[in-house]
Amino acid sequence: DAGVTQSPTHLIKTRGQQVTLRCSPKSGHDTVSWYQQALGQGPQFIFQYYEEEERQRGNFPDRFSGHQFPNYSSELNVNALLLGDSALYLCASGGGAYSYEQYFGPGTRLTVT
Amino acid sequence: GENVEQHPSTLSVQEGDSAVIKCTYSDSASNYFPWYKQELGKRPQLIIDIRSNVGEKKDQRIAVTLNKTAKHFSLHITETQPEDSAVYFCAASKGSASKIIFGSGTRLSIRP
Repeated sequence: DAGVTQSPTHLIKTRGQQVTLRCSPKSGHDTVSWYQQALGQGPQFIFQYYEEEERQRGNFPDRFSGHQFPNYSSELNVNALLLGDSALYLCASGGGAYSYEQYFGPGTRLTVT
Repeated sequence: GENVEQHPSTLSVQEGDSAVIKCTYSDSASNYFPWYKQELGKRPQLIIDIRSNVGEKKDQRIAVTLNKTAKHFSLHITETQPEDSAVYFCAASKGSASKIIFGSGTRLSIRP
């Protein structure tokens, strides 16, 4: 039973570029949330996807967008990268309407130069 | 707005002693309080959680308490061991698969 997986593990981009990060939820889970964790801080909620739609969104600009596929996997896209976007991006999956627990993937370390 | 405050930011305890981390939350609609442990370079790992209809929960050396009236919740680790060294995050959410609001973290160090 695979846990939450993310790809790639590390990524280096230049300011102004665009990036796509990927997440596969834990088997049996249908909800995917994305978080940004800056160095030395707690994860900050970006948005959540359920049934292929964005269900909740945190205080992040429209440069951050996402998608969920019919197999429940998800992508996070960030356009016009800024130096401040450098962080660990975490994906968490949950089991839907009656499940409270969320489990995190290993994260993607994004460095913007 | 929604906020979770966590104290202390760093904690150093002698191996075998107990460690306590305290958190407060602002949104009275919060009803689920998970605790995550994050080792350096790794993912946050859910170690214990508590729902608002329960005041205390214990799992071996780890226990959590919740005071809904005061909007306080705490993590207690007894008989600490070197492998307990990590950053611990408290968090709050408003139910099933809802967004999680994290505290700022506590770096716990266990002295041999």
